[in-house]
Amino acid sequence: SQQGEEDPQALSIQEGENATMNCSYKTSINNLQWYRQNSGRGLVHLILIRSNEREKHSGRLRVTLDTSKKSSSLLITASRAADTASYFCATDWTGANSKLTFGKGITLSVRP
Amino acid sequence: ETGVTQTPRHLVMGMTNKKSLKCEQHLGHNAMYWYKQSAKKPLELMFVYNFKEQTENNSVPSRFSPECPNSSHLFLHLHTLQPEDSALYLCASSQGSSGVQETQYFGPGTRLLVL
Repeated sequence: SQQGEEDPQALSIQEGENATMNCSYKTSINNLQWYRQNSGRGLVHLILIRSNEREKHSGRLRVTLDTSKKSSSLLITASRAADTASYFCATDWTGANSKLTFGKGITLSVRP
Repeated sequence: ETGVTQTPRHLVMGMTNKKSLKCEQHLGHNAMYWYKQSAKKPLELMFVYNFKEQTENNSVPSRFSPECPNSSHLFLHLHTLQPEDSALYLCASSQGSSGVQETQYFGPGTRLLVL
């Protein structure tokens, strides 16, 4: 399967702490994306990192990509209760008929 | 708001009913997608349309019938569904087919319950 696998499946932290979520994948990719989903809602795009990039920042988000290990991490700094959501990584694997493939997601709970 | 709207937001239907889900995007995109999201399972891609042409049918049962009359509108026609089809159905759009998948913009979804 080409889908990314997130780790851990669930994460509970205190407000103000940092949250680190990981994603591993199996095939070569063009890019890797992180999405967020609030309960019962649609997914919202957070950040896209291309295969030739190693790190990207967006506000309190920091994403790293290690293509040699086929893994990515999403760091949310100074977490807030509003960050409580499910987070998904999606990989765009190289090859014919490429499409975004999503993992099962990580449930993040930030306690006030 | 992401610029992608879906109606209805909630739908309850019997197995013999026929209903349709509607998706509209206001982003000028050329690609539109239907996904199925069930509890504890990865997001499942169902159909892809590029420039109104269907380019992906991910082995979806024929009781799901998509329609894309133009680049801004996407429908999913439902008939004789099964209880296991109960899920959140998400529509998404993106710029268009360039061989590389760019950012997708999702609608809020339709929560479907099949009785």
